[in-house]
Amino acid sequence: DAKTTQPPSMDCAEGRAANLPCNHSTISGNEYVYWYRQIHSQGPQYIIHGLKNNETNEMASLIITEDRKSSTLILPHATLRDTAVYYCIVRVGRGKLIFGQGTELSVKP
Amino acid sequence: NAGVMQNPRHLVRRRGQEARLRCSPMKGHSHVYWYRQLPEEGLKFMVYLQKENIIDESGMPKERFSAEFPKEGPSILRIQQVVRGDSAAYFCASSPSTDVWEQYFGPGTRLTVT
Repeated sequence: DAKTTQPPSMDCAEGRAANLPCNHSTISGNEYVYWYRQIHSQGPQYIIHGLKNNETNEMASLIITEDRKSSTLILPHATLRDTAVYYCIVRVGRGKLIFGQGTELSVKP
Repeated sequence: NAGVMQNPRHLVRRRGQEARLRCSPMKGHSHVYWYRQLPEEGLKFMVYLQKENIIDESGMPKERFSAEFPKEGPSILRIQQVVRGDSAAYFCASSPSTDVWEQYFGPGTRLTVT
């Protein structure tokens, strides 16, 4: 079973920031938080990951709370092409990804 | 650098036939993972392989399914005597041998059993 909880769906206006929350209250000290997305039946795409510090790359920012029980993925300027299902996953080391239901993000013009 | 390649992209099999799905990982990647996505369902892990070794097959059905990743050539997911319930999208992912743990996914193979 997935160890994360995400809202099933969210809407965002094009050009605005999309903030996707994730709860992972049972996360262990050595588990990382990963974010992937799946755009309509394509293969999932890696977005970003972090342990305890906030992270930023060319796609998104990841904000992890100090107690590490939750995190937020931020897409700073959402476009229509960001419409997808976003998955928050916690895992340690290499090995399988356990996908939950994810959040279906709809970016609207 | 080419991404993960899967072929065929679409495969149609009749009940009872065999299905062979191929996955070529990214260059320099020696870890391969297979996932299955049933219609209207989430992605489920099936098996994790390194070259010539199965590391974790906890998600593989006990019968009819097998996977290999030989020293040379692509990884193969083999489904014997397919049934309608095997109809799904099968995704392969790869990761390198270093401490980089991100998995990079291929476009998937859509299997339809008639």
